[in-house]
Amino acid sequence: GENVEQHPSTLSVQEGDSAVIKCTYSDSASNYFPWYKQELGKRPQLIIDIRSNVGEKKDQRIAVTLNKTAKHFSLHITETQPEDSAVYFCAASTSGTYKYIFGTGTRLKVLA
Amino acid sequence: DTGVSQNPRHKITKRGQNVTFRCDPISEHNRLYWYRQTLGQGPEFLTYFQNEAQLEKSRLLSDRFSAERPKGSFSTLEIQRTEQGDSAMYLCASSLRFIGAGSRDTEAFFGQGTRLTVV
Repeated sequence: GENVEQHPSTLSVQEGDSAVIKCTYSDSASNYFPWYKQELGKRPQLIIDIRSNVGEKKDQRIAVTLNKTAKHFSLHITETQPEDSAVYFCAASTSGTYKYIFGTGTRLKVLA
Repeated sequence: DTGVSQNPRHKITKRGQNVTFRCDPISEHNRLYWYRQTLGQGPEFLTYFQNEAQLEKSRLLSDRFSAERPKGSFSTLEIQRTEQGDSAMYLCASSLRFIGAGSRDTEAFFGQGTRLTVV
């Protein structure tokens, strides 16, 4: 069935360093890949997304890359700040359904 | 607040009781989704509606679960004869699907969820 694997499950970085979170999806028909940030006790919020017709997208300190051949996509956060500490979820979806298959999450801790 | 609203925020119930949750999506959004999230896991898809039509249900949604969106606006999720394994955060999300040439969806906006504890 459809599956999204996410690694690592926890990630600690020093403030100012970069963080990379990787996801792999199984459904080759997937064509939309959002990333959500969830702070403790709060709702998941979209931080960046990418569609299958592009290989990379950047928004200030956040970037996402997509390798359709390998069915990999990654989140890159540069110049990390303490407020970046949260759980990050990747997801994949397919046109026509738009249900999201989520990864298991990465708990990012940015150490001051 | 014009975001997705869910009520109640917390629900504690005894095993075997029925519970109902409500979701009010962003007003112009025609797609509505229910997800379940357990501790340390990503949200798991349960079901979704386009307007009032329920278009897909996950196999996670047993016969004890039913969801409705009677007028294509708010939605309810009912769990009958609750079990301890039903304890989770139930998240609702909504999005807008643009129909026609170049049809596409907006991102899904999530509510803050209803945390269910079955004792």
